[in-house]
Amino acid sequence: EVQLVESGGGLVQPGRSLRLSCAVSGFSFDDYAMHWVRQAPGKGLEWVSGISWNSGSIGYADSVKGRFTISRDTAKNSLYLQMNSLRTEDMALYYCVKGGWADWTNGDYFDYWGQGTLVTVSS
Amino acid sequence: QSALTQPASVSGSPGQSITISCTGTSSDIGNNHYVSWYQQHPGKAPKLMIYEVTDRPSGISFRFSGSKSANTASLTISGLQPEDEADYYCSSFSRSGTMLFGGGTKVTVL
Repeated sequence: EVQLVESGGGLVQPGRSLRLSCAVSGFSFDDYAMHWVRQAPGKGLEWVSGISWNSGSIGYADSVKGRFTISRDTAKNSLYLQMNSLRTEDMALYYCVKGGWADWTNGDYFDYWGQGTLVTVSS
Repeated sequence: QSALTQPASVSGSPGQSITISCTGTSSDIGNNHYVSWYQQHPGKAPKLMIYEVTDRPSGISFRFSGSKSANTASLTISGLQPEDEADYYCSSFSRSGTMLFGGGTKVTVL
């Protein structure tokens, strides 16, 4: 059974940093791209970032480029999102998502989702 | 990046068919076959319903089908059932090197 379990969310002040983690199991982690997708309260889905199977291809939404960094650790079967200079508009439920392909940069889809970790940005 | 355009809401009676549209541009939907659809019930994580325009993952009912014409993709739900009431999102790869989502469509079963 595929499982993706996010952690690291919480309350943080604007301008501060937070690191999200996602522990995965049930599939060969180093064979697939991974993504972070967020959903602000009462709003729609927004793709945040994607990383290919070997970390060779990484991409970000314009809204987070230069502030967020995605990474993965094959030895730990884990995905990470380092979020710096957080803004109130970054407040959302952050989902860890498995891609359907090894390299997302020619196209991908999201076939398994975690339950999400909530990031609240407020002073 | 601009989100893909979906109608805010679509409704139908049990047993009817409904279609949700998802309009993009020649840089995204019109440029590739990586269009997918997701169902989200309140308080739950999204669930993949259709990938690569027309393909259904294992376990997804044949009542769900996808198509694409030019810059617009569509999700059709046939034989509408009460449990189909949910939010639906489309997604596409963009030539700009990002993934896009539509704004979401609330499906109501009357």
